[in-house]
Amino acid sequence: DSGVTQTPKHLITATGQRVTLRCSPRSGDLSVYWYQQSLDQGLQFLIQYYNGEERAKGNILERFSAQQFPDLHSELNLSSLELGDSALYFCASSVEGSSYNSPLHFGNGTRLTVT
Amino acid sequence: AQKITQTQPGMFVQEKEAVTLDCTYDTSDPSYGLFWYKQPSSGEMIFLIYQGSYDQQNATEGRYSLNFQKARKSANLVISASQLGDSAMYFCAMRERYRDDKIIFGKGTRLHILP
Repeated sequence: DSGVTQTPKHLITATGQRVTLRCSPRSGDLSVYWYQQSLDQGLQFLIQYYNGEERAKGNILERFSAQQFPDLHSELNLSSLELGDSALYFCASSVEGSSYNSPLHFGNGTRLTVT
Repeated sequence: AQKITQTQPGMFVQEKEAVTLDCTYDTSDPSYGLFWYKQPSSGEMIFLIYQGSYDQQNATEGRYSLNFQKARKSANLVISASQLGDSAMYFCAMRERYRDDKIIFGKGTRLHILP
């Protein structure tokens, strides 16, 4: 058990809808990362927050947004969903925001299916 | 340019044999970390082992070891005495000190252990 909690485990929704994915990092971890894993794209970095502030941005669509709250949990909001957004969405956390020797610890992911 | 290259999309290995999963990387940052993750069919991402760019010795964690050849920019994962439970997808990843904070992943190698 990595200590990172993601909810829900599965989400099935229709095109055009909006969903929210939730992540609680490991106790003591200040950084939260979001990744998207689809079959043909591998693991794509979306966005990182450190102690409530956005730290880095990757290939995140404008229809997607995220935030990290004062209690350090994070939410990823996906709107105007398209079939291509179907993927496994991972949250990960690490102790520090800029330590290249800190591994990321991943949650079990949220499997999103857009129909 | 691809920063992490895993050239073996799939591998089949007999149980109890040792297996080497290849990973090459590209960076101009002198300070970086290399990581290996395991993703079983259940989907979770499990951190296996870490190697820092300044580490003189190869990292080891139980049956996992990392064959780090800095001049060649390679960080191969070696699994000794493979077990059926080692069947999974394996990802090599890198984190650079002076870049933005994300971890970059390779496309992965799917390992099948044969009884």
